[in-house]
Amino acid sequence: DVQLLESGGGLVQPGGSLRLSCAASGFNFDNYAMSWVRQAPGKGLEWVAVISGDGGSTYYADSVKGRFTISRDNSRNTLYLQMDSLRAEATAVYYCARGGFCSGVYCHTISYDRTGFDYWGQGTLVTVSS
Amino acid sequence: DIQMTQSPSSLSASVGDRVTITCRASQSVSSFLNWYQQKPGTAPKLLIYAASTLQSGVPSRFNGSRSGTDFTLTISSLQSEDIATYYCQQSFSTPRTFGQGTKLDIK
Repeated sequence: DVQLLESGGGLVQPGGSLRLSCAASGFNFDNYAMSWVRQAPGKGLEWVAVISGDGGSTYYADSVKGRFTISRDNSRNTLYLQMDSLRAEATAVYYCARGGFCSGVYCHTISYDRTGFDYWGQGTLVTVSS
Repeated sequence: DIQMTQSPSSLSASVGDRVTITCRASQSVSSFLNWYQQKPGTAPKLLIYAASTLQSGVPSRFNGSRSGTDFTLTISSLQSEDIATYYCQQSFSTPRTFGQGTKLDIK
């Protein structure tokens, strides 16, 4: 079975840093684009970032560009989100989600990442507060 | 950035009703439009991708369609377990924007 398990959330002060992890199992991790999506308390879904299957291409929401970094370790089947210079508005549940399937050279881009997010983790809560 | 506008923002319907939720893109997204269902305290679930393709395991009472930049999610006969918030999302370009959500409850 496909499983995505986030960890690393918690309480952090404004201006601080946090690194989220998402451990994947049950599928060939390096054949899929992966995204982070967040949801502030009582609010809707906000896409945060995407990374290609080989990790060579990354894209971010304007709200986090320059402060968040998405990365992956395909040898460990793990997705990461490094969050720096955190602000109160980053308080949210953060989900990792599986995107589109790729093979070969296409895994360097996200051009195949068009079929939505078919598996999601359970989410990890990040609270930015003093 | 492409803006996704859902309507209505909330909706009450009776079991057995036909329910329609609309999503409009601010520019063309081709058919790269996905629909999700989210129940309280749980992660979203993919219902439909590519505007009209039903995700595996999703009941056939859910249907998606496209007309230009307008997309529709239809539940043909509402069941009590369909009470949730529904989101559209475009996967045509980055950022991968979501609609603001439509909260569906039982009348």
